[in-house]
Amino acid sequence: DAGVTQSPTHLIKTRGQQVTLRCSPKSGHDTVSWYQQALGQGPQFIFQYYEEEERQRGNFPDRFSGHQFPNYSSELNVNALLLGDSALYLCASMQQGAYGYTFGSGTRLTVV
Amino acid sequence: KQEVTQIPAALSVPEGENLVLNCSFTDSAIYNLQWFRQDPGKGLTSLLLIQSSQREQTSGRLNASLDKSSGRSTLYIAASQPGDSATYLCAVLEDNAGNMLTFGGGTRLMVKP
Repeated sequence: DAGVTQSPTHLIKTRGQQVTLRCSPKSGHDTVSWYQQALGQGPQFIFQYYEEEERQRGNFPDRFSGHQFPNYSSELNVNALLLGDSALYLCASMQQGAYGYTFGSGTRLTVV
Repeated sequence: KQEVTQIPAALSVPEGENLVLNCSFTDSAIYNLQWFRQDPGKGLTSLLLIQSSQREQTSGRLNASLDKSSGRSTLYIAASQPGDSATYLCAVLEDNAGNMLTFGGGTRLMVKP
Protein backbone atom coordinates (compact mmCIF):
# COMPACT_ATOMS: atom_id res chain seq x y z
CA ASP A 1 0.00 0.00 0.00
CA ALA A 2 1.69 3.18 -1.17
CA GLY A 3 1.94 5.95 1.36
CA VAL A 4 2.03 9.64 0.53
CA THR A 5 4.13 10.36 -2.55
CA GLN A 6 5.70 13.75 -3.24
CA SER A 7 7.56 15.02 -6.27
CA PRO A 8 10.11 16.24 -6.96
CA THR A 9 12.37 15.35 -4.01
CA HIS A 10 14.69 18.29 -4.54
CA LEU A 11 14.36 21.54 -6.44
CA ILE A 12 16.52 24.62 -6.96
CA LYS A 13 14.86 27.84 -8.14
CA THR A 14 15.91 31.46 -8.61
CA ARG A 15 14.33 34.35 -6.75
CA GLY A 16 11.20 35.61 -8.50
CA GLN A 17 10.45 32.31 -10.20
CA GLN A 18 7.40 30.15 -9.69
CA VAL A 19 7.34 26.53 -8.50
CA THR A 20 4.80 23.69 -8.41
CA LEU A 21 5.08 20.80 -5.99
CA ARG A 22 2.97 17.65 -6.25
CA CYS A 23 1.46 15.19 -3.81
CA SER A 24 -0.42 11.91 -4.13
CA PRO A 25 -2.23 10.94 -0.92
CA LYS A 26 -2.25 7.55 0.71
CA SER A 27 -4.81 5.18 -0.72
CA GLY A 28 -8.19 5.76 0.94
CA HIS A 29 -7.35 9.28 2.07
CA ASP A 30 -9.36 12.22 0.73
CA THR A 31 -7.84 15.21 2.52
CA VAL A 32 -4.47 16.76 1.80
CA SER A 33 -2.58 19.31 3.88
CA TRP A 34 0.65 21.15 3.11
CA TYR A 35 3.29 22.18 5.63
CA GLN A 36 6.47 24.23 5.38
CA GLN A 37 9.43 23.24 7.55
CA ALA A 38 12.37 25.63 7.81
CA LEU A 39 15.69 24.18 8.89
CA GLY A 40 15.74 23.36 12.60
CA GLN A 41 12.07 24.20 13.15
CA GLY A 42 8.79 22.34 13.38
CA PRO A 43 6.46 22.24 10.37
CA GLN A 44 4.08 25.17 9.84
CA PHE A 45 0.60 24.63 8.37
CA ILE A 46 0.06 26.22 4.94
CA PHE A 47 -3.42 25.01 3.91
CA GLN A 48 -5.69 22.01 3.57
CA TYR A 49 -7.78 20.73 0.67
CA TYR A 50 -10.87 18.56 0.81
CA GLU A 51 -13.41 17.96 -1.94
CA GLU A 52 -11.25 20.06 -4.28
CA GLU A 53 -11.63 23.16 -2.13
CA GLU A 54 -9.29 24.98 0.24
CA ARG A 55 -10.88 24.38 3.64
CA GLN A 56 -8.39 25.98 5.98
CA ARG A 57 -5.38 28.23 5.62
CA GLY A 58 -2.46 29.09 7.86
CA ASN A 59 -0.60 32.38 8.07
CA PHE A 60 0.91 32.34 4.59
CA PRO A 61 0.66 35.01 1.87
CA ASP A 62 -1.38 34.68 -1.30
CA ARG A 63 1.80 33.78 -3.18
CA PHE A 64 1.09 30.30 -1.85
CA SER A 65 -1.80 28.63 -3.62
CA GLY A 66 -2.96 25.10 -4.22
CA HIS A 67 -5.27 22.77 -5.97
CA GLN A 68 -6.83 19.38 -5.38
CA PHE A 69 -7.84 17.12 -8.24
CA PRO A 70 -10.77 14.65 -8.45
CA ASN A 71 -8.38 11.76 -7.65
CA TYR A 72 -7.48 13.60 -4.38
CA SER A 73 -3.93 14.43 -5.48
CA SER A 74 -2.80 17.97 -4.84
CA GLU A 75 -0.42 20.69 -6.01
CA LEU A 76 1.23 23.50 -4.10
CA ASN A 77 2.19 26.56 -6.13
CA VAL A 78 4.46 29.33 -4.92
CA ASN A 79 4.84 32.50 -6.99
CA ALA A 80 7.51 35.22 -6.84
CA LEU A 81 9.89 33.05 -4.84
CA LEU A 82 11.88 34.62 -2.01
CA LEU A 83 15.04 33.35 -0.41
CA GLY A 84 12.98 32.77 2.75
CA ASP A 85 10.82 30.24 0.92
CA SER A 86 13.72 27.79 1.04
CA ALA A 87 12.44 24.91 3.16
CA LEU A 88 11.23 21.33 3.23
CA TYR A 89 7.64 21.19 2.01
CA LEU A 90 5.65 18.34 3.47
CA CYS A 91 2.38 16.91 2.27
CA ALA A 92 0.12 15.04 4.69
CA SER A 93 -3.02 13.11 3.96
CA MET A 94 -5.84 11.72 6.03
CA GLN A 95 -9.38 10.44 5.71
CA GLN A 96 -11.96 12.96 6.91
CA GLY A 97 -13.16 12.03 10.36
CA ALA A 98 -10.22 9.73 11.13
CA TYR A 99 -7.73 12.47 12.16
CA GLY A 100 -4.61 10.36 11.83
CA TYR A 101 -2.14 11.95 9.44
CA THR A 102 0.33 10.26 7.11
CA PHE A 103 3.20 12.40 5.87
CA GLY A 104 5.24 12.18 2.70
CA SER A 105 9.02 12.43 2.50
CA GLY A 106 8.87 16.05 1.43
CA THR A 107 10.27 18.27 -1.31
CA ARG A 108 13.41 20.21 -0.48
CA LEU A 109 13.15 23.63 -2.17
CA THR A 110 16.20 25.85 -2.36
CA VAL A 111 15.79 29.41 -3.63
CA VAL A 112 19.01 31.11 -4.78
CA LYS B 1 -3.39 30.74 19.73
CA GLN B 2 -2.05 27.28 20.47
CA GLU B 3 1.66 27.06 21.20
CA VAL B 4 3.57 23.80 21.49
CA THR B 5 6.95 23.64 23.20
CA GLN B 6 9.40 20.76 23.34
CA ILE B 7 12.13 20.46 25.92
CA PRO B 8 15.00 19.78 25.61
CA ALA B 9 15.81 21.01 22.11
CA ALA B 10 18.69 18.55 21.90
CA LEU B 11 19.74 15.51 23.88
CA SER B 12 22.76 13.21 23.73
CA VAL B 13 22.76 9.96 25.70
CA PRO B 14 24.80 6.74 25.77
CA GLU B 15 23.25 3.63 24.33
CA GLY B 16 21.02 1.71 26.70
CA GLU B 17 19.68 4.65 28.67
CA ASN B 18 15.99 5.19 29.25
CA LEU B 19 14.95 8.71 28.34
CA VAL B 20 12.00 11.08 28.42
CA LEU B 21 11.10 13.76 25.89
CA ASN B 22 8.70 16.48 26.93
CA CYS B 23 5.97 18.33 25.06
CA SER B 24 3.74 21.06 26.45
CA PHE B 25 0.81 22.91 24.88
CA THR B 26 -0.99 26.05 25.97
CA ASP B 27 -4.61 25.26 25.05
CA SER B 28 -5.99 22.03 26.53
CA ALA B 29 -8.93 21.88 24.08
CA ILE B 30 -7.23 19.30 21.88
CA TYR B 31 -8.68 16.40 19.92
CA ASN B 32 -5.51 14.34 19.90
CA LEU B 33 -1.72 14.52 20.18
CA GLN B 34 0.67 12.76 17.85
CA TRP B 35 4.38 12.00 18.18
CA PHE B 36 6.49 11.83 15.03
CA ARG B 37 10.05 10.86 14.20
CA GLN B 38 12.04 12.69 11.53
CA ASP B 39 15.38 11.55 10.17
CA PRO B 40 17.66 14.27 8.71
CA GLY B 41 16.19 15.75 5.53
CA LYS B 42 13.33 13.25 5.51
CA GLY B 43 9.60 13.30 6.08
CA LEU B 44 7.71 12.49 9.26
CA THR B 45 6.97 8.99 10.53
CA SER B 46 4.07 8.69 12.94
CA LEU B 47 5.05 6.93 16.16
CA LEU B 48 2.08 7.22 18.48
CA LEU B 49 -1.30 8.96 18.45
CA ILE B 50 -3.14 9.63 21.71
CA GLN B 51 -6.79 10.63 21.63
CA SER B 52 -7.82 13.30 24.15
CA SER B 53 -9.79 10.69 26.11
CA GLN B 54 -6.72 8.46 26.50
CA ARG B 55 -3.92 8.67 29.02
CA GLU B 56 -1.20 6.76 27.19
CA GLN B 57 -0.23 4.69 24.19
CA THR B 58 2.54 2.12 23.82
CA SER B 59 4.40 0.73 20.85
CA GLY B 60 7.38 -1.50 21.48
CA ARG B 61 9.99 0.46 23.43
CA LEU B 62 7.98 3.67 23.13
CA ASN B 63 5.38 4.93 25.57
CA ALA B 64 3.57 8.25 25.25
CA SER B 65 1.46 9.77 27.99
CA LEU B 66 -0.99 12.64 27.88
CA ASP B 67 -2.16 14.91 30.68
CA LYS B 68 -4.62 17.11 28.87
CA SER B 69 -5.59 19.24 31.84
CA SER B 70 -2.01 20.29 32.53
CA GLY B 71 -1.12 20.59 28.84
CA ARG B 72 1.67 18.03 28.88
CA SER B 73 2.77 14.92 27.06
CA THR B 74 5.88 12.79 27.46
CA LEU B 75 7.50 10.28 25.15
CA TYR B 76 9.42 7.59 27.02
CA ILE B 77 12.03 5.60 25.09
CA ALA B 78 13.30 2.50 26.85
CA ALA B 79 16.77 1.03 26.33
CA SER B 80 17.79 3.57 23.72
CA GLN B 81 19.73 2.44 20.64
CA PRO B 82 21.88 4.34 18.10
CA GLY B 83 19.10 3.75 15.56
CA ASP B 84 16.82 5.91 17.70
CA SER B 85 18.90 8.97 16.77
CA ALA B 86 16.53 11.40 15.05
CA THR B 87 14.39 14.45 15.71
CA TYR B 88 11.18 13.79 17.61
CA LEU B 89 8.24 16.11 17.05
CA CYS B 90 4.95 16.36 18.87
CA ALA B 91 1.85 17.89 17.31
CA VAL B 92 -1.63 18.65 18.60
CA LEU B 93 -4.91 18.66 16.73
CA GLU B 94 -7.23 21.17 18.37
CA ASP B 95 -10.96 20.80 18.86
CA ASN B 96 -11.74 24.11 17.25
CA ALA B 97 -9.01 24.53 14.64
CA GLY B 98 -10.31 22.30 11.91
CA ASN B 99 -7.77 19.74 10.84
CA MET B 100 -4.63 21.79 11.36
CA LEU B 101 -1.75 20.27 13.31
CA THR B 102 0.33 22.58 15.50
CA PHE B 103 3.89 21.32 15.95
CA GLY B 104 6.54 21.85 18.54
CA GLY B 105 10.08 22.68 17.50
CA GLY B 106 11.29 19.14 18.08
CA THR B 107 13.90 17.41 20.22
CA ARG B 108 17.04 16.32 18.39
CA LEU B 109 18.19 13.04 19.93
CA MET B 110 21.59 11.42 19.53
CA VAL B 111 22.24 8.00 21.04
CA LYS B 112 25.96 7.21 21.20
CA PRO B 113 27.21 3.63 20.89
